Amino acid sequence: DTGVSQDPRHKITKRGQNVTFRCDPISEHNRLYWYRQTLGQGPEFLTYFQNEAQLEKSRLLSDRFSAERPKGSFSTLEIQRTEQGDSAMYLCASSRKLAGDLDTQYFGPGTRLTVL
Amino acid sequence: AQSVAQPEDQVNVAEGNPLTVKCTYSVSGNPYLFWYVQYPNRGLQFLLKYITGDNLVKGSYGFEAEFNKSQTSFHLKKPSALVSDSALYFCAVRDIMNRDDKIIFGKGTRLHILP
Repeated sequence: DTGVSQDPRHKITKRGQNVTFRCDPISEHNRLYWYRQTLGQGPEFLTYFQNEAQLEKSRLLSDRFSAERPKGSFSTLEIQRTEQGDSAMYLCASSRKLAGDLDTQYFGPGTRLTVL
Repeated sequence: AQSVAQPEDQVNVAEGNPLTVKCTYSVSGNPYLFWYVQYPNRGLQFLLKYITGDNLVKGSYGFEAEFNKSQTSFHLKKPSALVSDSALYFCAVRDIMNRDDKIIFGKGTRLHILP
């Protein structure tokens, strides 16, 4: 168990550019979550997957944001036409969800995005 | 709608003293409650959770939290603080009535342990 990993750890981009982040969950974890955290705030839910199915998307996730988990393992979060307001820490978490059980989410180190 | 409040932005405690980080919650049903800790440049680390049963929950690094249903609180405690406990602490809640598994985080409390 090597923990949740995220790549890159830091990304600086210019407004209008597209960016893509990757998350590798803990192996055998079937749930994968994306959160956004801005300064002075707690993480805000963006979306989550069970295996390869995207089960819910927050209203925070505008149409410029898209997430995938094609094989039910790693996930990518893409932001198109970035805006300065997208600057934040993007956190990924994974969990092993069994029916009727409460899963505990384990977080990666995050990707810090700065949009200039 | 579910929500979490952490009324203190910052808590200062002398090393060796007991510490408390406060959390109150609001849910329509029964809550699942969590505490996470975030160190600089690192992700959130799970400390402990309350599901049901004993109101006093023990977690990692000597932390514990007490669930109080009447006060809708879930305060984080430690009998003797260490300088290494200095970090950002987040309380989080999930409403059992929700069919999704979203958890809502508080804004966080920065804990400073003074040597």
